Amino acid sequence: GNSVTQMEGPVTLSEEAFLTINCTYTATGYPSLFWYVQYPGEGLQLLLKATKADDKGSNKGFEATYRKETTSFHLEKGSVQVSDSAVYFCALSDPESGAGSYQLTFGKGTKLSVIP
Amino acid sequence: DSGVTQTPKHLITATGQRVTLRCSPRSGDLSVYWYQQSLDQGLQFLIQYYNGEERAKGNILERFSAQQFPDLHSELNLSSLELGDSALYFCASSEPYTGELFFGEGSRLTVL
Repeated sequence: GNSVTQMEGPVTLSEEAFLTINCTYTATGYPSLFWYVQYPGEGLQLLLKATKADDKGSNKGFEATYRKETTSFHLEKGSVQVSDSAVYFCALSDPESGAGSYQLTFGKGTKLSVIP
Repeated sequence: DSGVTQTPKHLITATGQRVTLRCSPRSGDLSVYWYQQSLDQGLQFLIQYYNGEERAKGNILERFSAQQFPDLHSELNLSSLELGDSALYFCASSEPYTGELFFGEGSRLTVL
């Protein structure tokens, strides 16, 4: 079955530090890949996505590249801010879901804390 | 604001009881997904409805059931509750052409 593995947290960084959160996946077929962010007390929000190999998703300074050869989708940001403190989830959509169905398989989440 | 509305936000109940969680999707979205988020299991897909019909089923217990009504709102029914059912339950709806999921703020269930 499909699975997503992301690095365990929590991760604590100082403001302006470089961020990498590793994510690898196992899937049959060609899934789309996503990063979602969950701020305290809120639901998940889509941060970025990539739908095919070598695609780069980017948003709010975050980037991730769909690497089919290494089955990875690592999240990076060059300079984190205190406001980036949240839980980050890597996810894939099941390519076998069928038209109109986008059930996601999530990693366990990585909690990021950015200190001033 | 994602446009997905979930009620109640918090719910405390006792073992053996039954609760109903409600979700209204974004205007125009036909699909509703239910997820359970717990500390040990992470985010688990429970079930999906599309325009009133069950489309996909994930790790949903037999004690749980869901439905989607003609006005597209959905309800998740949890019965014979156990301590381990304590979790955050999210509803999401999907944008029909891109597949992006929009999540509600969740319903936090505490079973005592």
